[in-house]
Amino acid sequence: DQQVKQNSPSLSVQEGRISILNCDYTNSMFDYFLWYKKYPAEGPTFLISISSIKDKNEDGRFTVFLNKSAKHLSLHIVPSQPGDSAVYFCAACGGSNYKLTFGKGTLLTVNP
Amino acid sequence: ETGVTQSPTHLIKTRGQQVTLRCSSQSGHNTVSWYQQALGQGPQFIFQYYREEENGRGNFPPRFSGLQFPNYSSELNVNALELDDSALYLCASSPRGGEEKLFFGSGTQLSVL
Repeated sequence: DQQVKQNSPSLSVQEGRISILNCDYTNSMFDYFLWYKKYPAEGPTFLISISSIKDKNEDGRFTVFLNKSAKHLSLHIVPSQPGDSAVYFCAACGGSNYKLTFGKGTLLTVNP
Repeated sequence: ETGVTQSPTHLIKTRGQQVTLRCSSQSGHNTVSWYQQALGQGPQFIFQYYREEENGRGNFPPRFSGLQFPNYSSELNVNALELDDSALYLCASSPRGGEEKLFFGSGTQLSVL
């Protein structure tokens, strides 16, 4: 039972355009959501997070949107840069349980 | 500031053997979590240690066990290795109160033949 779903295994965008990565979740107990970025041969690195009390969080070129009623969140990267090419993981946790539940990831390729 | 370091980076074992993976947490972090990432999957929570005690466990059998030491470093032990244990094993540390924002090591790639 996959509680965090990233339905797009891959996404390709042109440099300078917007990248939108999507994530859906099923567990209503989740109240904190994170995005991680992973380069080959490296561990995931924290990118941005959002609490369920908010619907938007912004950090430079990265913005995460949360739609609680739809149990959906998205990560917007604008403008996209070739260095953003990586696998992006959506993760969630909830209640007093700090265990993170990850999606399968989306491979983003930004073409020069 | 030293990040999370894991050793070894790669390991090849045969079915039925036992393996120990090691992790040094980031300076100032007293919580360590272990995740298994199978090919094409996202990381899956194995367990978390805080102050040398297990503080939560995922859906893994008892042959997966761990330790945390007074210096907050940690070990993951897997007994009776199975072919499906082949995966990238990730260690992550966090400061208490910020557990959600995990800082990951580069992982140990375990291959079971």
